[in-house]
Amino acid sequence: AQSVTQPDIHITVSEGASLELRCNYSYGATPYLFWYVQSPGQGLQLLLKYFSGDTLVQGIKGFEAEFKRSQSSFNLRKPSVHWSDAAEYFCAGYSGGGADGLTFGKGTHLIIQP
Amino acid sequence: KAGVTQTPRYLIKTRGQQVTLSCSPISGHRSVSWYQQTPGQGLQFLFEYFSETQRNKGNFPGRFSGRQFSNSRSEMNVSTLELGDSALYLCASSEQGATEAFFGQGTRLTVV
Repeated sequence: AQSVTQPDIHITVSEGASLELRCNYSYGATPYLFWYVQSPGQGLQLLLKYFSGDTLVQGIKGFEAEFKRSQSSFNLRKPSVHWSDAAEYFCAGYSGGGADGLTFGKGTHLIIQP
Repeated sequence: KAGVTQTPRYLIKTRGQQVTLSCSPISGHRSVSWYQQTPGQGLQFLFEYFSETQRNKGNFPGRFSGRQFSNSRSEMNVSTLELGDSALYLCASSEQGATEAFFGQGTRLTVV
């Protein structure tokens, strides 16, 4: 069965430091991959997506992600975090072709230290 | 463009009752999907509607149902509510499937 795994439940980073959130996927073929962010009590906002082609994708708010087929990973990065980046981050996959919606990881809670 | 609108934002219902949640997608989007978010199970796919037809359904009991109208607005219904149905219900709209889904702010359902 297809799955998306986010190994880190919580991550604490100092403001101004770099960030990397991990995501691994397990699909029969390379899925579409996404990163979403959720602030408390809010819906999900799409940060970036990977469909094919260039393995380094740029998103909103200064985020980027790198697709690595050999490692089945799609890690999210940001060079310098801001206090406003504190939120829950979700990695998701979609196999396409009318498949059953997005499959989400359990999420990583990002805490920003002053 | 206006975003995805879900109403109501908050609901409190009693066990055994039924509830209807509404979702208005982004203009021009024909696909509407519903997700349930709970602390224990995370985000789980409920179903997807496209052009008034249910295309996919997740692993939820038949108490969970939905429909889509000709203007792409969608409703989901949960009958015979159980305590475990307490969750944030999120609606997502897209042009096609889940290739680029935009989410509403959700409806927080509390069953007491």
